[in-house]
Formats: sequence, structure tokens, C-alpha cells
Amino acid sequence: AQSVTQLDSQVPVFEEAPVELRCNYSSSVSVYLFWYVQYPNQGLQLLLKYLSGSTLVKGINGFEAEFNKSQTSFHLRKPSVHISDTAEYFCAVSEGTGTALIFGKGTTLSVSS
Amino acid sequence: DTEVTQTPKHLVMGMTNKKSLKCEQHMGHRAMYWYKQKAKKPPELMFVYSYEKLSINESVPSRFSPECPNSSLLNLHLHALQPEDSALYLCASSRNRGPSTDTQYFGPGTRLTVL
Repeated sequence: AQSVTQLDSQVPVFEEAPVELRCNYSSSVSVYLFWYVQYPNQGLQLLLKYLSGSTLVKGINGFEAEFNKSQTSFHLRKPSVHISDTAEYFCAVSEGTGTALIFGKGTTLSVSS
Repeated sequence: DTEVTQTPKHLVMGMTNKKSLKCEQHMGHRAMYWYKQKAKKPPELMFVYSYEKLSINESVPSRFSPECPNSSLLNLHLHALQPEDSALYLCASSRNRGPSTDTQYFGPGTRLTVL
């Protein structure tokens, strides 16, 4: 069965610092990986997704993620964060034969000045 | 346009009330989803509709009753809810249900409080 582990429940950083939000998955088949962001009192917005091809995926708002099959990871990175990046970030996975998104527990990114 | 709209934004109801949540998309998507999200938790899948037919029910109690009147609309009828049902209810849609690679687009959610 597939599962997603987000290793950090909270990540506090200062503005303009780099950040990495970690995500590991377990699955016995090919997976498709997603990062969603949820701003306070809002729905989920897709940041980026890995389906196939290049393992480095670029998304919106300057975020990128790297798919590492050997380490079963899909970590999210941004070289310089802004106050406005403060939000909840969810890593999610779906398998080739299913359609349900399996979400990790989320990481709260708090950016302060 | 990648917008999914949900109404109302907030809903407060008593345990004996009957209410409905509404979700709408005009992207031509044929799969629509209801998720429940408790505070500080990830979304949990409740129902999936594909081509206006219920295809997945994740063992949701019968006090939640989904309905898909047409390809653009998805309703969630609520009756005799419990206080623990208070949560953010998210609607999502995707082009199709089949391929796992179809992006799911989420609405802003309805914040439900059951008294």
C-alpha cells in the first residue's frame, strides 16, 4: 500500500532564506507525486507534480522539487522564501492503477522577518 | 479557467438540521470529488463521481449523501450530523477519473460547524 511521510510537521524560517520541505513515499509500483499548498482558510492549490521524465520539476511561485527514486523522496525546495509563502504544504502520491490522492500529514511553513 | 467554486463558505447547523453544500466547475471535467479536512490534518477522500455516477464511497456514514445532478455540479446533502463532523469540506475536479496523472483542482472549501 502506498503512503506518504512528511518528515517535518513545522518549518520556521526567516525571509529570504532557502527552505526544503521533505517528503518520502512508499509504493510498490510507479507513482505520481504532487505538492499542494494551502493558505489559511483556503482550498488546496497545486504547486508542482512529477509524472515522468526529468526528475527536477519546477512549479509555481519559485518552488521546485526533485524526484529521487532510489531514496523514494520528493523534497520541495525554494532558494529564497517570502512572508507570503507562509502556509501548509502537502505532499501527495497516486499510483498508476488508482485515482485517489494519498496525502502526507502536511508541513507548516512559517516565514518571519 | 481552473476554478472550482463552493457555496456556502461557512455553514453552522444543528444536529437535527438538513443542509446542502454545493460545488461547481466549468472546466469540462468529468470526475468530481468530496474531501473532508479536519484542522491541521490532510484532506480525506469521501466520494468520487465519474461521468455523473458514484464510483467511490470511502465508507462514509449515510448522514452524508452526495448527488451529481449534471457534469458541472456536485452536491453534498447533510442530515443529522454530529459535532465531530465539523470540518472543512473540499470539492475537487479532474479531467477524468481514469488516469492517475490528471491534476485535481480544489475549491476553497465550506467551513462546517455542527452544534
